[in-house]
Amino acid sequence: NAGVTQTPKFRVLKTGQSMTLLCAQDMNHEYMYWYRQDPGMGLRLIHYSVGEGTTAKGEVPDGYNVSRLKKQNFLLGLESAAPSQTSVYFCASSYYWGAGDTQYFGPGTRLTVL
Amino acid sequence: AQSVTQPDIHITVSEGASLELRCNYSYGATPYLFWYVQSPGQGLQLLLKYFSGDTLVQGIKGFEAEFKRSQSSFNLRKPSVHWSDAAEYFCAAAPRSYSGGGADGLTFGKGTHLIIQP
Repeated sequence: NAGVTQTPKFRVLKTGQSMTLLCAQDMNHEYMYWYRQDPGMGLRLIHYSVGEGTTAKGEVPDGYNVSRLKKQNFLLGLESAAPSQTSVYFCASSYYWGAGDTQYFGPGTRLTVL
Repeated sequence: AQSVTQPDIHITVSEGASLELRCNYSYGATPYLFWYVQSPGQGLQLLLKYFSGDTLVQGIKGFEAEFKRSQSSFNLRKPSVHWSDAAEYFCAAAPRSYSGGGADGLTFGKGTHLIIQP
């Protein structure tokens, strides 16, 4: 039982490049979330999913897209990376709706956009 | 707008001393409340959570938190800290019902960085 895993752990992009961050969970959780963490800002919700095939916008969705084609995977895409997207990205999952259940976090992906 | 405030950015405590980390929330109705800990280079780990009932909540690693509705607070405490407690601590809150909007996830405070002096 690996819990929540994230790929890659580190990445450096140039402005305008695209990439996809992969989050996978093996706990059969319905709900999955993408957060970004910036110094002095705490974590902010980017997008979330309440089940396979569904996605919804969080607090800071601009510049990101997501997909949940399989229950266990939640992908975060950056179509045209900008320096403002330099951050640490965390994926999380929960069995019940996040407000009422523990969210389990992955180890994070550190992204630098030059 | 809903918010979570952690007034202390940094706190330094001597090993063996007691600890209290402050957290205040602003929500229309009492939210679910959480404390998470993040060790350097790691993801977040849940310490404890408050849903309802007893206002004193026990968590892992010897931590506890007290919910005070009148003060909109959920402060984290530990009677005697260990050097391994040095980390970033996040208070978080979430609304009790799903409305389908962007405010449905966890709202985090900005964190308190705990430093342990030998």
